Amino acid sequence: DTAVSQTPKYLVTQMGNDKSIKCEQNLGHDTMYWYKQDSKKFLKIMFSYNNKELIINETVPNRFSPKSPDKAHLNLHINSLELGDSAVYFCASSPTGDRDSPLHFGNGTRLTVT
Amino acid sequence: DQQVKQNSPSLSVQEGRISILNCDYTNSMFDYFLWYKKYPAEGPTFLISISSIKDKNEDGRFTVFLNKSAKHLSLHIVPSQPGDSAVYFCAASAKRDDKIIFGKGTRLHILP
Repeated sequence: DTAVSQTPKYLVTQMGNDKSIKCEQNLGHDTMYWYKQDSKKFLKIMFSYNNKELIINETVPNRFSPKSPDKAHLNLHINSLELGDSAVYFCASSPTGDRDSPLHFGNGTRLTVT
Repeated sequence: DQQVKQNSPSLSVQEGRISILNCDYTNSMFDYFLWYKKYPAEGPTFLISISSIKDKNEDGRFTVFLNKSAKHLSLHIVPSQPGDSAVYFCAASAKRDDKIIFGKGTRLHILP
């Protein structure tokens, strides 16, 4: 009965490949997010979607494209992977997307680009 | 440009004593602050929050103190328990947008 689940947990791939990370939440939340935790441990927002609509799009390369088929899913597609994309990617959701609406995170996907 | 700074990468505290985790921020527009706790191989979980209209918020063993003039907040855990060993992230946001800015985290070790 995992609330926010993301797959895969680990992803090892070569430069230039295209990969996807899937995320699903069963909490009935309206808003979903992708965060990136880089090697310096900062947790930075990449995207947020509210009811399938893009709300926040940080300065993320165009190679990253989120896709939300419905409000329970937010997948992350990454094209032409680069070494610098290696990081832990966290999916999250919140009830309303308001800042006082706590984030519920998945367990992360560790992406390693070789 | 670190807007939320947690200058102590790690902290060790004896079980039963008080743990104090510190956080500084630079953006004077921040008016809502949160703490998240993270265990290895898991995502962060929300712990406690405070609005800038308050200077203290308490929830069980956890208390967050906010000093707006110093742009500083701290999380107090008392008494510290073994299950408190984790990484603690300080986070902040400004009213003008709902983006939450996280610090780098402080790893807390509770010693037996």
